[in-house]
Amino acid sequence: AQTVTQSQPEMSVQEAETVTLSCTYDTSENNYYLFWYKQPPSRQMILVIRQEAYKQQNATENRFSVNFQKAAKSFSLKISDSQLGDTAMYFCAFKGVSAGNMLTFGGGTRLMVKP
Amino acid sequence: DGGITQSPKYLFRKEGQNVTLSCEQNLNHDAMYWYRQDPGQGLRLIYYSQIVNDFQKGDIAEGYSVSREKKESFPLTVTSAQKNPTAFYLCASSIAQSRDQPQHFGDGTRLSIL
Repeated sequence: AQTVTQSQPEMSVQEAETVTLSCTYDTSENNYYLFWYKQPPSRQMILVIRQEAYKQQNATENRFSVNFQKAAKSFSLKISDSQLGDTAMYFCAFKGVSAGNMLTFGGGTRLMVKP
Repeated sequence: DGGITQSPKYLFRKEGQNVTLSCEQNLNHDAMYWYRQDPGQGLRLIYYSQIVNDFQKGDIAEGYSVSREKKESFPLTVTSAQKNPTAFYLCASSIAQSRDQPQHFGDGTRLSIL
């Protein structure tokens, strides 16, 4: 079974600075997808970014980018120019064939952006 | 605007009572999912459905039931057999149950015991 681990329960960053959230996963599959979701205090889950394992190029969405290290099974999220609205829980998630293409979530990292 | 609507936002259950959480989507998605989230934790899959009139148990299905009579609707019933139902419940949908399709989420329902 897949497991997804987020080793940082809480993090904080000053507004306008850069922060990196860690995620590691365990799988024997070769082709899969990885996702980062954001859950602000409103509790809605919002898709931030996704990465296909076959693509070597790291995905980027505006201020959000990932560092995907397939061999190390690492999928970190970098948030540049942090904004107060980035304050949220961030969940890393894995999606592969062996789990019936279901999402497996990590435990989450609570990010606080300080003014 | 297309999206996923969950209702009610807050729900209270008495001991021994069944309650039903509503989830409706107008995204024309085939697949729908129910998750449970406990405080400070990630999401755990309760049930999912790939197509109308078909659904499968997830990791924590005991004490829950679902139906999928219409493509746009996937209600979740929390039965009296679920002894610890207090949690935040999220419904999601995706175009299909394939690896490349992200899941889109509703705003959730918070269930508490009276």
